[in-house]
Order: sequence, then structure tokens, then C-alpha cells
Amino acid sequence: QVQLVQSGAEVKKPGASVKVSCKASGYTFSDYYLRWVRQAPGQGLELLGWINPNSGDTKYAQKFQGRVTMTRDTSITTAYMDLSSLRSDDTAVYYCARSSHGLDVWGQGTTVTVSS
Amino acid sequence: DIQMTQSPSSLSASVGDRVTITCRASQNIATYLSWYQQKPGEAPRLLVYAASTLQSGVPSRFSGSGSGTDFSLSISTVQPGDFAIYYCQHSYNFPWTFGQGTRVEI
Repeated sequence: QVQLVQSGAEVKKPGASVKVSCKASGYTFSDYYLRWVRQAPGQGLELLGWINPNSGDTKYAQKFQGRVTMTRDTSITTAYMDLSSLRSDDTAVYYCARSSHGLDVWGQGTTVTVSS
Repeated sequence: DIQMTQSPSSLSASVGDRVTITCRASQNIATYLSWYQQKPGEAPRLLVYAASTLQSGVPSRFSGSGSGTDFSLSISTVQPGDFAIYYCQHSYNFPWTFGQGTRVEI
């Protein structure tokens, strides 16, 4: 079945970086953009950006420009989201989601906690 | 960025009620509008895309409508599993943005 499986929870100190992975299966990885969305505790949904797994092209929301990097490894159908210079307000659940008509398949989410 | 405003922020309903949630965009987005359902501890689930097209597997009691700046999501007969938070999201341009969510509770 079509699924996205993300890496496990992370605890980081302020100023550190985190790298979250998203492994796709059940469909042709290069056929669909992947978008990264985060949700702070008790808050709504916020888009960080997208990656085209076919070309590796990326686009990032202005708020995260300079701090976020999205990459992919087509040989293992996995996308990555790297967020640097972490602050306490980066504490959130980070999701990858397949972009078709809307975001039709989501990963299970990765909790990133930033705390000293 | 396009702002998406949902109303109400929360509503109370009983099983069997008809429920309608509205979403307003800060500019014309044609029908580039999706709706999601999120339950506690779970990822969002796509319900409707292109403003009115039901995602495969979504019960027919859900329906979406609207175009331009005003949209709505209706649940014809609320079921126990429908108590959740609902989000609208535009895909007209980058960055896609979400509404703040509407909590549907008993």
C-alpha cells in the first residue's frame, strides 16, 4: 500500500540541527512532489516547503529560508528535511506528505522537541 | 501569502446533526481548495480537493462547495467518528496555507 514512514522522535538543544527522514513505498517516488508541514503543540498546520523527488528542485517558505534544506535519495525512495539553528518554538510534529490533488498521503509525523 | 480564515473556530454538535464549516480566502483562489480532518495524535486526512471533489474512500456524507473566496465543508449527518478538527488549505500559489482549524465536538 502507499505509505510514507518517518524517522523517530528527536530531542535537540537550542542551536542544534535535526534531520527527519521520510521513506516512500507503494508508488513511484519520482512521480509526486513531497511537502513538509509542521504542527506546534495545540496549533495549526504550517508548510515548510516542497521537494521534487525527480529533479531534486526545492522551494522553501520564506519564514524558513536559510534554515531548512530538503533533499532526497532516489535509490532508497527517501526524502529528508534538515532544520538548523533550532529554537524552542521549532518544537513541533513534522510531517511529510505526498502532493497530488491536495496532500493525499501523510507520514505518521516526527516529534521534534527543542529544549535546553 | 494568502490568508485562510475558518469559521466557527469550534462548534458543538450531536450525532445526526448537519454541520457546516466555512473558509474564506483573502483573495480569489478559484477552486484550489482542500479540506482535511485531523483526530488527536493522528496525521491529517484529505477529505475534499478542488473545492468539491471527494477523496477516494471518504464517506458521501461529507461534501465541499464554493469557489473564488468563499468555501464550505458540510457533514450531512454527523457520526461519532466525525468529531475532530477540520482544516481548509489553498493550493493556488506558494506557499500553500491552512486555515486555523474548526473543532467539531459533542
